[in-house]
Amino acid sequence: GENVEQHPSTLSVQEGDSAVIKCTYSDSASNYFPWYKQELGKRPQLIIDIRSNVGEKKDQRIAVTLNKTAKHFSLHITETQPEDSAVYFCAARGGSNYKLTFGKGTLLTVNP
Amino acid sequence: NAGVTQTPKFQVLKTGQSMTLQCAQDMNHNSMYWYRQDPGMGLRLIYYSASEGTTDKGEVPNGYNVSRLNKREFSLRLESAAPSQTSVYFCAGRTGTGELFFGEGSRLTVL
Repeated sequence: GENVEQHPSTLSVQEGDSAVIKCTYSDSASNYFPWYKQELGKRPQLIIDIRSNVGEKKDQRIAVTLNKTAKHFSLHITETQPEDSAVYFCAARGGSNYKLTFGKGTLLTVNP
Repeated sequence: NAGVTQTPKFQVLKTGQSMTLQCAQDMNHNSMYWYRQDPGMGLRLIYYSASEGTTDKGEVPNGYNVSRLNKREFSLRLESAAPSQTSVYFCAGRTGTGELFFGEGSRLTVL
């Protein structure tokens, strides 16, 4: 089955700095790569996703890049704000088209 | 419009007891999922239902059973709870674009 590795497990940045979280996946048939944000005590919520026919996608301060050859994708957050502090999960949907496999998460702390 | 509703939100069980976590959605999702979340382990898929009438195992199905009662409801049953099943459980429905929409979670403690 699909295996998703996520790094780093914790990340601390100063407000205004950029943050980058990286993920690798194992199933070359995977075609959908979402990112979820989970605030403390809340449910995970989708913040951005990318499909295998696109190399990069941006939405205001967040962007995701995908390298299918290397089987890795990354989340970039620019001009970080304290409200960006949360756990971020990457995920990949493999060949079954129904199963979404998550990475173990990155705790991002943005210090004022 | 409640989205995905899970009950109960909190539950404490003794080892060996049984219980059912209920999940209902009003978003017309065809596919529904049960995940568990443990510290440092991310979200792990227990079972999923691609459509009404079908269920399939995920990564960690041992000790659990599921029922897709109808299109709206997907329940998760623990027949004989064990301390290793202490976790936060999330139900989710899948939208037409592939997004998983999660419920608020159910925190289960097994003593």
